[in-house]
Amino acid sequence: DGGITQSPKYLFRKEGQNVTLSCEQNLNHDAMYWYRQDPGQGLRLIYYSQIVNDFQKGDIAEGYSVSREKKESFPLTVTSAQKNPTAFYLCASRYPGLDSGANVLTFGAGSRLTVL
Amino acid sequence: AQSVTQPDIHITVSEGASLELRCNYSYGATPYLFWYVQSPGQGLQLLLKYFSGDTLVQGIKGFEAEFKRSQSSFNLRKPSVHWSDAAEYFCAVQPPFSSNTGKLIFGQGTTLQVKP
Repeated sequence: DGGITQSPKYLFRKEGQNVTLSCEQNLNHDAMYWYRQDPGQGLRLIYYSQIVNDFQKGDIAEGYSVSREKKESFPLTVTSAQKNPTAFYLCASRYPGLDSGANVLTFGAGSRLTVL
Repeated sequence: AQSVTQPDIHITVSEGASLELRCNYSYGATPYLFWYVQSPGQGLQLLLKYFSGDTLVQGIKGFEAEFKRSQSSFNLRKPSVHWSDAAEYFCAVQPPFSSNTGKLIFGQGTTLQVKP
């Protein structure tokens, strides 16, 4: 079945370390997204990519970096510059939608990062 | 400021009772509207969406939502709640004229607890 695979499910990091979260999709979707989820704050957009080798900052990009070398993959690196990295991270991809201009997102199961 | 608001952070209902979760948006033009559900530690699953046309939309798992332009609302309803409906529910909007980015703006979420 097609879907989005995020790994690892749980990740622990010491302060000052960079960590990379993996996101792979086999849906043949062009656009991919990273959201951060904190309790009571909903989801906030970190980065998104509409095509290979191109990506844009979202609302909270500081302290994060991404790459999009392949259509299927959109890894997120949480750098030591991110002041409060403990959160639940969700990757999504976009199905263009049957209606013109509509964006239907498919989400992965998420990765929980805890900074010790 | 343009935003989407879910006024209720936490709701508790008895199994078999009806449910209504509120969602309000503040955009000049009508955005595309979505409801997603998230089980603990999991990704988000699309329940339903509104793009245009009939203002009462049907979704999966027996949910429906009604778009009311005059109230800038898109409330989610279910006639009879099941224990398996306990989860967190997110309202999301695709802001007008943003179809090329695929960005969604999410509300803060409403946690639904179901009493036996």
